[in-house]
Amino acid sequence: EVQLLESGGGLVQPGGSLRLSCRASGFTFSRYAMNWVRQAPGKGLEWVSGISGSGGSTYYADSVKGRFTISRDNSKNTVFLQVNSLRAEDTAVYYCAKDRYGDPVTFADFWGQGTLVTVSS
Amino acid sequence: QSALTQPASVSGSPGQSITISCTGTSSDVGGYKYVSWYQQHPGKAPKLMIYDVSYRPSGVPDRFSGSKSGNTASLTISGLQTEDEADYYCSSYTSSSTLVFGGGTKLTVL
Repeated sequence: EVQLLESGGGLVQPGGSLRLSCRASGFTFSRYAMNWVRQAPGKGLEWVSGISGSGGSTYYADSVKGRFTISRDNSKNTVFLQVNSLRAEDTAVYYCAKDRYGDPVTFADFWGQGTLVTVSS
Repeated sequence: QSALTQPASVSGSPGQSITISCTGTSSDVGGYKYVSWYQQHPGKAPKLMIYDVSYRPSGVPDRFSGSKSGNTASLTISGLQTEDEADYYCSSYTSSSTLVFGGGTKLTVL
């Protein structure tokens, strides 16, 4: 059974940083790309970033390019999202989602339960 | 990376059929087979319902079907049930090697 467990969310001041983590189990982690998708309160889904199974390719939405960095540690079955220079509009639940394929990102077939990031002074 | 266009809301009675549209461009929906649909109940994580335009993952009822014509994809739910009431999102791969979602459609089962 595929399981994705996010952590690292919390309350942070504007301009601050957080490191989100997603621990995966139930599949061969290194064979699949991984995505981060966020959802602001009461709003729709927004794809944020993706990384290939090997970690050699990374992809970003224009809205976060230069501020967010995705990475993965295949020895620990974990994908990370470093979020810097946070703004109020980054407030959202951040979901980790497994991709169907290894590279590039195509679509998410399993999702975690999300971790809430709140940016406020 | 403009969001795909979906109707804000649709409604239907139990047993009826409804269709949700998802309009993009030739750089996303119209150009690739990686169109997917997700169901999200309040407070829950999204669930994959359709992938590669028209394929259902194991466990998804065959009441759910998908199609595409040009730059517009569609999700049809036949034989509506009360548990189908949820938000639905489409997603597509793009020519920039990114993903884009639709704005979401709230389905009300009357």
